[in-house]
Amino acid sequence: GAGVSQSPSNKVTEKGKDVELRCDPISGHTALYWYRQSLGQGLEFLIYFQGNSAPDKSGLPSDRFSAERTGGSVSTLTIQRTQQEDSAVYLCASSFDGSGVETQYFGPGTRLLVL
Amino acid sequence: DAKTTQPPSMDCAEGRAANLPCNHSTISGNEYVYWYRQIHSQGPQYIIHGLKNNETNEMASLIITEDRKSSTLILPHATLRDTAVYYCLVRVQGGSEKLVFGKGTKLTVNP
Repeated sequence: GAGVSQSPSNKVTEKGKDVELRCDPISGHTALYWYRQSLGQGLEFLIYFQGNSAPDKSGLPSDRFSAERTGGSVSTLTIQRTQQEDSAVYLCASSFDGSGVETQYFGPGTRLLVL
Repeated sequence: DAKTTQPPSMDCAEGRAANLPCNHSTISGNEYVYWYRQIHSQGPQYIIHGLKNNETNEMASLIITEDRKSSTLILPHATLRDTAVYYCLVRVQGGSEKLVFGKGTKLTVNP
């Protein structure tokens, strides 16, 4: 496919468990972004990757959240010891080049529910 | 904080033009205006962007005032599938170019 893909599409977990969310950006896009959207809320920026490095991690809400990107492509967002307030839709976006005014294209999101 | 303000909701009749306003009075000279929309349970979808001039593509038209303090997104012939939350944003300056979304306008297209 030509778009951004994310997996899983839905994830239900128990409080205290760790979860991993995956994002496959559009081929050739060097910039990758993670956002989250809580029920009825707007999008909240989490982290930005340019290649494999993350120059902006300012949006990560706590040290339970981490992300990595390998090979300049796939990214994984990990949430450790999940809490109920982590329940949200986690969205990934990519753009051709994060240093310019490039359009970000979003994936369908992963809906995380922490019980 | 978002640098834009939009009405929380609007209604439009199917087949009519939908005109969605956005105020961005503190926009910087080299910041672009972007519009995205989010249909229920989907990721945001890029619509259009512009700097100074009016822009048109297959989805919509963007009208930016001369002082760049406001803009209007126009969907020329709204359909039921255009029901969505529409977000107007300006690009945040800084290394990440992250998008800052406000609450958007919930557009409901009625039959």
